[in-house]
Amino acid sequence: DAKTTQPPSMDCAEGRAANLPCNHSTISGNEYVYWYRQIHSQGPQYIIHGLKNNETNEMASLIITEDRKSSTLILPHATLRDTAVYYCIVRVAINNDMRFGAGTRLTVKP
Amino acid sequence: DTEVTQTPKHLVMGMTNKKSLKCEQHMGHRAMYWYKQKAKKPPELMFVYSYEKLSINESVPSRFSPECPNSSLLNLHLHALQPEDSALYLCASSLQPDGDQPQHFGDGTRLSIL
Repeated sequence: DAKTTQPPSMDCAEGRAANLPCNHSTISGNEYVYWYRQIHSQGPQYIIHGLKNNETNEMASLIITEDRKSSTLILPHATLRDTAVYYCIVRVAINNDMRFGAGTRLTVKP
Repeated sequence: DTEVTQTPKHLVMGMTNKKSLKCEQHMGHRAMYWYKQKAKKPPELMFVYSYEKLSINESVPSRFSPECPNSSLLNLHLHALQPEDSALYLCASSLQPDGDQPQHFGDGTRLSIL
């Protein structure tokens, strides 16, 4: 599976949009992009995933560039409870061994 | 709230003890997973079960023995563990082993080896 690169940490002001980038320049055509987050002392929580098109759900939006080499997770109105480590993962649908990278530690500040 | 339930939440055991971790889901998922997470590190895959059969073993030492008695239940049997095995053990499940559906995680069992 392709690997991902994320900034180790980011800050965001409460109420503002949080934009978390992910680089996956070696992604192949059949690999999906998944985003999870892990709040302290909890298990990872699924946020969103996509293949080519931009996706939106009640938690976030996923923007994938046309060449699919990078993506951005957008939390439209960050709250203090969004403080967590955010993981960007790419994997082939038929391959269920999901590999976590180091992730981005997002801190939402009042 | 998580739909994957792990018990116990905390476990302290000696190196000579035998214990088991339990994971349960009632979402009809047919793939289940064990991960190990050390402090300040990302989760690392240990085992994958697809349709109740072990499909992936990431070269995990034999002192960890997984078991999938039915489609809703996943166990991890522990024996003769080492202090470096102290970690958070996470269970996850997904609808199918070979689809794009996401994995759903429990909140883990925090294991301490004395």
